[in-house]
Amino acid sequence: SAVISQKPSRDICQRGTSLTIQCQVDSQVTMMFWYRQQPGQSLTLIATANQGSEATYESGFVIDKFPISRPNLTFSTLTVSNMSPEDSSIYLCSLRAGDEAFFGQGTRLTVV
Amino acid sequence: ILNVEQSPQSLHVQEGDSTNFTCGFPSSNFYALHWYRWETAKSPEALFVMTLNGDEKKKGRISATLNTKEGYSYLYIKGSQPEDSATYLCAFTKGGATNKLIFGTGTLLAVQP
Repeated sequence: SAVISQKPSRDICQRGTSLTIQCQVDSQVTMMFWYRQQPGQSLTLIATANQGSEATYESGFVIDKFPISRPNLTFSTLTVSNMSPEDSSIYLCSLRAGDEAFFGQGTRLTVV
Repeated sequence: ILNVEQSPQSLHVQEGDSTNFTCGFPSSNFYALHWYRWETAKSPEALFVMTLNGDEKKKGRISATLNTKEGYSYLYIKGSQPEDSATYLCAFTKGGATNKLIFGTGTLLAVQP
C-alpha cells in the first residue's frame, strides 16, 4: 500500500486566481495521476506525471491551464490556473501499485 | 457501451437491508474492473480488482462478480450498516492503457439506522 498526503483539503478561490495542489507520497513512484470530479460527473483523468519529463495530458486538458510539476519521485503539484466557476471540482492525485490505485484525500475547490 | 455506466445513481436503505449496484463497461479490449468506496472527505478506498470473466470476490459483507463477455459487474452488500454509507465507484481499464482508469459516476449509498 501507499500513503498519499494531499493538501489543501479544500479552498474557496476568486475567479482569475490560481491554486496549487500538492501531493506527497511515502514511497518513490514513477507515475502519478491527477483526476478531477466536477459536480455530478465521473472522476476524469487530467494528466499523467512522470518524474523527469513533461506530463501527458488527456483530451480536453492543456498544460497552460493545469501545469504539473514532478520534481522527484515522491512529490507532485497540480496548479489550476486562471480559475473560473467551471473549475469548481474535487481534485485527486493518485498512483498505481500493480493493479491497485491509491488516492490522496482530495482537494475540494470552489471558485466564486 | 462506450463508457462506464453505474446504476442506480443513489440508493437509500435501512440498516440490515441487502443491496446491490451495477456497473456496465465496454466488453472489448478488457483488462480489469475496479470497485472503490469513497467516503466524504476521505480517499477512495480500493475494494476489488477483477480481471477474469466469472471472477467473484468477497471482503466481509461486500462481494462482487464480473462478466467480461457482456460487460457488467455487480457489487453486493449484505446486511447494510450505517458505516457502509459512501459513494461506490467502479472503474475500467483496457488493454494497452492499463494505467488509465475510466470511472463511472458512482452510486451514492445512504444507510439509515
